[in-house]
Amino acid sequence: ETAVFQTPNYHVTQVGNEVSFNCKQTLGHDTMYWYKQDSKKLLKIMFSYNNKQLIVNETVPRRFSPQSSDKAHLNLRIKSVEPEDSAVYLCASSLGANSDYTFGSGTRLLVI
Amino acid sequence: GEQVEQRPPHLSVREGDSAFITCTYTDPNSYYFFWYKQEPGASLQLLMKVFSSTEINEGQGFTVLLNKKDKRLSLNLTAAHPGDSAAYFCAVSASSGSWQLIFGSGTQLTVMP
Repeated sequence: ETAVFQTPNYHVTQVGNEVSFNCKQTLGHDTMYWYKQDSKKLLKIMFSYNNKQLIVNETVPRRFSPQSSDKAHLNLRIKSVEPEDSAVYLCASSLGANSDYTFGSGTRLLVI
Repeated sequence: GEQVEQRPPHLSVREGDSAFITCTYTDPNSYYFFWYKQEPGASLQLLMKVFSSTEINEGQGFTVLLNKKDKRLSLNLTAAHPGDSAAYFCAVSASSGSWQLIFGSGTQLTVMP
């Protein structure tokens, strides 16, 4: 099956903990992304990475960092979570510029 | 940078009626435009991608109109049914070469039987 796979589906953690979310795509795409969807369903780009270039949205706090081992994987690490990090994190991939995005099913994070 | 405004934020229609959602964008150099559907608890599903100016595209039960002169993108669900109840998002490709999609704020559509 070719798709974008995210784990875990759901994660609950306490303030100050470190978390890491996994994303893998089996579509042969060369660019991957992380989006944050907040409680009002607003979608904001966090990172895009095409194995050569990492582009960071300057509004993303420094406790967030992407981690990639190859072009099929782009994980998201949050060093010390805060309550406002509670959201759904969506991973996506595309084949080059302006081609269709394929989204994963998302990871819902709850920080208590 | 690109800004995308989507209206309305909430929309309720009766089954069989049309549902019209519109987005305006600011960057005249944007050239790829998308509509996504998100059902509750699910991820984003691509409905349609358009890129020609003043183009009407017909999908299964919906029509997309792009007017580049007015920088406006619209989605019209014709004869809506309860299965169309979902959040709908427009998205515009950033022309900066960063390959990022800029999303509208979404429209929560409810189709009542």
